[in-house]
Amino acid sequence: AQTVTQSQPEMSVQEAETVTLSCTYDTSESNYYLFWYKQPPSRQMILVIRQEAYKQQNATENRFSVNFQKAAKSFSLKISDSQLGDTAMYFCALYSGGGADGLTFGKGTHLIIQP
Amino acid sequence: DTAVSQTPKYLVTQMGNDKSIKCEQNLGHDTMYWYKQDSKKFLKIMFSYNNKELIINETVPNRFSPKSPDKAHLNLHINSLELGDSAVYFCASAGASNQPQHFGDGTRLSIL
Repeated sequence: AQTVTQSQPEMSVQEAETVTLSCTYDTSESNYYLFWYKQPPSRQMILVIRQEAYKQQNATENRFSVNFQKAAKSFSLKISDSQLGDTAMYFCALYSGGGADGLTFGKGTHLIIQP
Repeated sequence: DTAVSQTPKYLVTQMGNDKSIKCEQNLGHDTMYWYKQDSKKFLKIMFSYNNKELIINETVPNRFSPKSPDKAHLNLHINSLELGDSAVYFCASAGASNQPQHFGDGTRLSIL
């Protein structure tokens, strides 16, 4: 069975600071995909960033970047120059096939950006 | 022109009733999913459906049944609703299983 662990239930930083959200995972598959999703109070699930396990280069999307450490099975999300609109639940998710063939999610980190 | 749309957004009903949640995607995706988000915000896959192949998470009670009239729709039927079914249900779609999933806005189901 595959698992995703987010060890920080809640984090709070000041606007414009940089923040890193942690995620570790476990899977027996060699080919898999990792995602970070954002869920603001509006309840929408918004894709933030995606990483293919076979790519060594860390994915980046504007202010969002990941630190993918395959050997350590770690996939952290860094948000630079944080903005008030970044306040949301952030979910780390893993796809490696098998089972119900959907995403396996972590329990989420509630990120609060303070003005 | 919402990509993945769910109806209704809110559903309040009594224990024992049967209800359905509709989901439609206009992205031309081949795979659709249903997830359940509980009161602690934990998201769990319930079903995936691809080209008439249904994959069910073994923990889902058989009171839940997905129905797909065509590739763009995957509706969720729930029989004999129980208090523990109260949650937010998300529909999602993807071009392939390993591609990013696009989510609907969720349906908050409340059982009285």
